[in-house]
Amino acid sequence: AQSVTQLGSHVSVSEGALVLLRCNYSSSVPPYLFWYVQYPNQGLQLLLKYTSAATLVKGINGFEAEFKKSETSFHLTKPSAHMSDAAEYFCAVSYTGTASKLTFGTGTRLQVTL
Amino acid sequence: NAGVMQNPRHLVRRRGQEARLRCSPMKGHSHVYWYRQLPEEGLKFMVYLQKENIIDESGMPKERFSAEFPKEGPSILRIQQVVRGDSAAYFCASSPQGAWDTEAFFGQGTRLTVV
Repeated sequence: AQSVTQLGSHVSVSEGALVLLRCNYSSSVPPYLFWYVQYPNQGLQLLLKYTSAATLVKGINGFEAEFKKSETSFHLTKPSAHMSDAAEYFCAVSYTGTASKLTFGTGTRLQVTL
Repeated sequence: NAGVMQNPRHLVRRRGQEARLRCSPMKGHSHVYWYRQLPEEGLKFMVYLQKENIIDESGMPKERFSAEFPKEGPSILRIQQVVRGDSAAYFCASSPQGAWDTEAFFGQGTRLTVV
């Protein structure tokens, strides 16, 4: 069965510092990978998605993620954190034939400090 | 174009009562997905519906839970005889098609509290 592991349930960075949120997946077939952001009491918003076109994917709000098949990873990065980036981030995976059914990681809460 | 609309946003039920959660997909979307988020956990897939059809209910508990997406009106997730363990945030998502690379748009969720 497919699964997604997000290392670190809480990450704290200073404003202006690099953001790195980790995501590893388990799969025997090529997956589609997604990063979603959830602000307090809000729904999920898609940040970016990997669909095998390019290994480095750029998303909204300055985020990007790199698909590394050898490491089964899809880590999310942003060069310079902003206070408005404070939120919960979810990595998710879907597979061929599962029609947009997503398997989510447990989430990483990002805190940005001054 | 309004997004995915869920109501109510907050719902409190006593143990044994029924909970009905509604989801109106985005205009032009005929595919609806329900997810449940338990405290401190990620979202778990529950059910995938198209108009008048249940496509995949592999994530639905076998008892007390049901879902429908009628030809007219919103999708409904129904939980009968609620228990404290049903307390969670329930999210609905919609997409224009069911392809696995199609982005699903999420609603703001319904937070169910069972007392």
